[in-house]
Amino acid sequence: NAGVTQTPKFQVLKTGQSMTLQCAQDMNHEYMSWYRQDPGMGLRLIHYSVGAGITDQGEVPNGYNVSRSTTEDFPLRLLSAAPSQTSVYFCASSHSWLWDNEQFFGPGTRLTVL
Amino acid sequence: KNEVEQSPQNLTAQEGEFITINCSYSVGISALHWLQQHPGGGIVSLFMLSSGKKKHGRLIATINIQEKHSSLHITASHPRDSAVYICAVNGYGTASKLTFGTGTRLQVTL
Repeated sequence: NAGVTQTPKFQVLKTGQSMTLQCAQDMNHEYMSWYRQDPGMGLRLIHYSVGAGITDQGEVPNGYNVSRSTTEDFPLRLLSAAPSQTSVYFCASSHSWLWDNEQFFGPGTRLTVL
Repeated sequence: KNEVEQSPQNLTAQEGEFITINCSYSVGISALHWLQQHPGGGIVSLFMLSSGKKKHGRLIATINIQEKHSSLHITASHPRDSAVYICAVNGYGTASKLTFGTGTRLQVTL
């Protein structure tokens, strides 16, 4: 199993550019989430999905879009990048069971917006 | 006030010391997670627990649901334990969303 994969590992954008961060998992997990990690702050939830075709907003959704057309993939789209979106982005997945939802994280994408 | 508070924020220990990291939360939860993040690295799950105590190697995690408190202990600490340790909780009745603490940065020296 590859686990949770993310691409790219690093990205530099100019203000106003758009891009898609890719996330895929091969563990047949129902739940997938996107988080951003900023210095001095805990991980914050951007968007999450409880299954294919179902997505919802997290704590900091503005400026980001997601879709979940398959169980495996959960891409995160930046519509018009802003310097405030400079951050490290993590994708995570888990089963939906309350008694066992161990979290599996991707390696992260370090994004810089100039 | 954050829903999940960790203490201390930073911790320096000598090799071999017994280490305790604390996590307090203010909401009802389904489960609590302890995660580890090495410098520049990804995040790995150490424990998920909803009651009692779990042990894995030199790591022990405990939770007291009534007091809304959890502790992560590292016995016989080693420099390779140097990392950020993060506490996170699932709100009551949901496995889909986590709320995170800001992490405890641990440095273990020789």
